[in-house]
Amino acid sequence: GENVEQHPSTLSVQEGDSAVIKCTYSDSASNYFPWYKQELGKRPQLIIDIRSNVGEKKDQRIAVTLNKTAKHFSLHITETQPEDSAVYFCAASDYKLSFGAGTTVTVRA
Amino acid sequence: GAVVSQHPSWVICKSGTSVKIECRSLDFQATTMFWYRQFPKQSLMLMATSNEGSKATYEQGVEKDKFLINHASLTLSTLTVTSAHPEDSSFYICSALPSGTTNQPQHFGDGTRLSIL
Repeated sequence: GENVEQHPSTLSVQEGDSAVIKCTYSDSASNYFPWYKQELGKRPQLIIDIRSNVGEKKDQRIAVTLNKTAKHFSLHITETQPEDSAVYFCAASDYKLSFGAGTTVTVRA
Repeated sequence: GAVVSQHPSWVICKSGTSVKIECRSLDFQATTMFWYRQFPKQSLMLMATSNEGSKATYEQGVEKDKFLINHASLTLSTLTVTSAHPEDSSFYICSALPSGTTNQPQHFGDGTRLSIL
């Protein structure tokens, strides 16, 4: 089955700085790569996703890149704000979602 | 659009009790729904894939006789935790995939916090 690794497990950044989270996947059949933000006790919220026929996607302060050859994908958050503090999960899917272990992001004011 | 309702949001019960959790797609039909479990400070782990009108497919290590899944309609899947014990305490989340969609995104419910005393 699919194995998704996510790094780092924790990330502390100064407000206004950028945050980068990296993931790798193992199954070359995976073709959909979403990123979720989860606040304590709540459902995961889709913040951005990318499909395997695209190398990069951007939505305001959030961008995702995908390298299919290396089986890497990354989340970039620019101009971080305190409300960006949460746990972020990457996932890979060819039908079922396999999640990474999560990254706890703390934005220091 | 694409709203998934999960009920109850929180349940506390005694050990040995069976608990049913409902997952409804409110404004779309979902041939496929997924059930996840999330322990504190951990990731979401897929438990099973629920397909309307057929038996659920369970992930390795998930006891199908303990976690009963029924997907009798295109808008409702239920997960019953039978004879629950404290180690079953967790956050259970469902998601639904709109019918006719070959791939994502899945739409998540708000989750059910299950606490077994």
